[in-house]
Amino acid sequence: DADVTQTPRNRITKTGKRIMLECSQTKGHDRMYWYRQDPGLGLRLIYYSFDVKDINKGEISDGYSVSRQAQAKFSLSLESAIPNQTALYFCATSEGQGNEKLFFGSGTQLSVL
Amino acid sequence: GEDVEQSLFLSVREGDSSVINCTYTDSSSTYLYWYKQEPGAGLQLLTYIFSNMDMKQDQRLTVLLNKKDKHLSLRIADTQTGDSAIYFCAESTTSGTYKYIFGTGTRLKVLA
Repeated sequence: DADVTQTPRNRITKTGKRIMLECSQTKGHDRMYWYRQDPGLGLRLIYYSFDVKDINKGEISDGYSVSRQAQAKFSLSLESAIPNQTALYFCATSEGQGNEKLFFGSGTQLSVL
Repeated sequence: GEDVEQSLFLSVREGDSSVINCTYTDSSSTYLYWYKQEPGAGLQLLTYIFSNMDMKQDQRLTVLLNKKDKHLSLRIADTQTGDSAIYFCAESTTSGTYKYIFGTGTRLKVLA
């Protein structure tokens, strides 16, 4: 089984809809992250959490919110989806011991029509 | 602001060496990383180097760091078709505000 699991793998939705992407991990890591990937732009950080009671904005948090329900679960919500939020979304975890090696899920491809 | 740049494409013949380059702007970076992304998958860490090192070798992979020029490279020896993927460099810092910045990715195509 995957150490970092994202659901769903693919989602098509309409403008204005609320969407939740979920991430769970079995690595026992405290730190969790949400990134989005757009062609030619690399990965950009949306939100991150260093433990259950910690939530921090990344470089592109507008239009998104997150919830850290437990050490193992970190969900990303789009309150009112818009077409330019069409992207590949990745959840990642890390141990947080200085060397921040990131472990990624397989991604969620989101299309907003 | 801080930036990490890579060329978008690289094509090599099977058996040749590949060299993927990366430049960054933040001199406070503590660690620099290389990740590999295969089609339909998430990123997988290949290797990393601490900023006070010049070189790190791991089997077919050699990482070179020129801190003065803020230049990082990944050399893949004896490149195989299975090495075809997108390669991302990234930098992080352990001091002050959390920062972890990825480059735009280099798509490596290996020709048989």
